[in-house]
Amino acid sequence: QVQLQESGPGLVKPSETLSLTCTVSGGSINSYYWSWTRQPPGKGLEWIGYIYHSGSTKYNPSLKSRVTISADTSKNQFSLKLSSVTAADTAVYYCARVGSSLVRGAIIQNWFDPWGQGTLVTVSS
Amino acid sequence: QSALTQPASVSGSPGQSITISCTGTSSDVGSYNLVSWYQQHPGKAPKLMIYEGSKRPSGVSNRFSGSKSGNTASLTISGLQAEDEADYYCCSYAGSSTLVFGGGTELTVL
Repeated sequence: QVQLQESGPGLVKPSETLSLTCTVSGGSINSYYWSWTRQPPGKGLEWIGYIYHSGSTKYNPSLKSRVTISADTSKNQFSLKLSSVTAADTAVYYCARVGSSLVRGAIIQNWFDPWGQGTLVTVSS
Repeated sequence: QSALTQPASVSGSPGQSITISCTGTSSDVGSYNLVSWYQQHPGKAPKLMIYEGSKRPSGVSNRFSGSKSGNTASLTISGLQAEDEADYYCCSYAGSSTLVFGGGTELTVL
């Protein structure tokens, strides 16, 4: 059974770069796509982006200029970097495996399961 | 890319059925039958309940069902139970390899 665990600093200063890692156990990241989603306190979910083990990535257009997702297959991990953070980036950050569907001959990544437990990152000086 | 529209809250009594709507546009919900639904209890991670509009993952109760009409997807929970009280989020494929969530709906079991 695949399990995911987020790790990284819980406090980041404004204008700095947020860095998180998701460690996958019980399965290899050398298949499937892997994603990051965040949830500001008391608010809804926001998809950040996903990566394939080969390094192919897709990002939310609203965050694309500040986001980098990368994978380390040797460690069975993938990571998130979000630059130039502000208080608005304070959130619980979740990693998850991405499910794919075959639609009109194309494979489309579109659902998330399972999820990590999430980690709260606060942006404050 | 705007968030999908969900009612802020719905409620129902034990044993009843409730439906949560998720309204998008012809560019997301209306174009693809690729809506997923997630249940989130306070302080917990989201849990996949429905994918591809109406499919249930293994282990999810058949009291949960999904459907779509036009630009609106729906999640129906029948035989409401106290444990169903949670927040529910829809998510849709929005084209160009992007995904968009709804704002979330708080379900209260009276």
